[in-house]
Amino acid sequence: DIQMTQSPASLSASLGETVTIECRASEDIYNGLAWYQQKPGKSPQLLIYNANSLHTGVPSRFSGSGSGTQYSLKINSLQSEDVASYFCQQYYDYPTFGSGTKLEIK
Amino acid sequence: EIQLQESGPGLVKPSQSLSLTCSVTGYTITSGYDWSWIRKFPGNKMEWMGYISYSGSTNYNPSLKSRISITRDTSKNQFFLQLNSVTTEDTATYYCAPLTGGSLFDYWGQGVMVTVSS
Repeated sequence: DIQMTQSPASLSASLGETVTIECRASEDIYNGLAWYQQKPGKSPQLLIYNANSLHTGVPSRFSGSGSGTQYSLKINSLQSEDVASYFCQQYYDYPTFGSGTKLEIK
Repeated sequence: EIQLQESGPGLVKPSQSLSLTCSVTGYTITSGYDWSWIRKFPGNKMEWMGYISYSGSTNYNPSLKSRISITRDTSKNQFFLQLNSVTTEDTATYYCAPLTGGSLFDYWGQGVMVTVSS
C-alpha cells in the first residue's frame, strides 16, 4: 500500500498568518491527492482534490500544490473557524490517509 | 443531497463481531458510487476498510481481508459492516461514506464510536 507521511502533527499560528501542511507519499501518486478538514465533533469535509482543485464552497484562502510524491496544503489569512484537524488522502491506489495535523490558534 | 447515518453497538467484547449499519438518504445506493467504511483510531490515524459498489461487488483493504464483510439491503437503501474477531485495536470511530467520482469522500456520516472491551 502507499504510505502517506504528514507533517507537522500539530501547528499553532496566529490569526491572519499563513500556514502550510505537507504530505509525502511513499511513491508517485500522480496528483491523486485530496485534503480534508475535520472540526471537533464533526465529520471530515473535502477541501481540495486532484492536489490543487478547490472543492465547491471552500474558501479561496485554502490552496493545494505539489506533484509526484510531495504535496502541500496552504491556508492564507488564518481565521478562527480554521481550527480543525487536516489530513491528506491519496487515491492513486486504494485510499490511504496521512496521520493528520491539528491546527490551533495562538 | 446524500446523507448517511451510522448505527450499531458502541461496545463490543474482544473476539466477537462488530456489526454496523449505514442508512443512506438522498441517493439510491444501486445508482452509483462505491459505498465505503472508514475508521479513525484514537490518535487520529484513518483507515479505509472497504466498499460495496453500486453493482454489489466488494473490495477490501488487504490488511482486513480475512475479517471483513460488507453487504447491503437495497430495499432499505442500507449497507453493513461486519468485522470479525475484534480486538482492542479495533476501537475507533467508524464512518460510512461513498467514494464518488475521482475516488473522493465528499459525503460522510456523523460517525459512530465503537469500543472493544471486556
